[in-house]
Amino acid sequence: TQLLEQSPQFLSIQEGENLTVYCNSSSVFSSLQWYRQEPGEGPVLLVTVVTGGEVKKLKRLTFQFGDARKDSSLHITAAQPGDTGLYLCAGGRNYQLIWGAGTKLIIKP
Amino acid sequence: DAGVIQSPRHEVTEMGQEVTLRCKPISGHDYLFWYRQTMMRGLELLIYFNNNVPIDDSGMPEDRFSAKMPNASFSTLKIQPSEPRDSAVYFCASSPLDRRSTYEQYFGPGTRLTVT
Repeated sequence: TQLLEQSPQFLSIQEGENLTVYCNSSSVFSSLQWYRQEPGEGPVLLVTVVTGGEVKKLKRLTFQFGDARKDSSLHITAAQPGDTGLYLCAGGRNYQLIWGAGTKLIIKP
Repeated sequence: DAGVIQSPRHEVTEMGQEVTLRCKPISGHDYLFWYRQTMMRGLELLIYFNNNVPIDDSGMPEDRFSAKMPNASFSTLKIQPSEPRDSAVYFCASSPLDRRSTYEQYFGPGTRLTVT
């Protein structure tokens, strides 16, 4: 059972386009984190949201935590080739992280 | 500050051999996690420690896998005997005690294991 459903699994778009990645669950989390992983490296933490309805911005990336703390979204504005990578969401519970399966994002120049 | 350090970065071994993966967590972090990542199954938690004590090893595939944390700055994951289906990238991550309950984790670069 995948406790965190992440969609889409794969996304390939042109440079300059906008995109949104979703992370959904029926469970409540104390926090929701987004990581980016590049080939040959470990996941790197991008952002943590902890309050229902919280919105955080990181340059062209906007992260939102659902009001009920069960879901989250990552929106990228004007995507660039440097945004290419595997994006993972993870929900915090009982000192562990519950991981989504990841979204493989490719931005074509 | 140095991040999480893992060694070796790559390991190629023959079926039946013993494999030992090593991890040095970030100094001061209270939690250490071992993960395995494959294309088919994604990121899987194998085991995690709190203050050097194993807390949950329910993700360890079978008795061939064992993990130790003899002190706060070192942990090992051992596979004996190794099998081709163990081929994967193994990550170590550490996490500080966080009163905000965020459970943020910091990953090492991983060890790519190939068992032939």
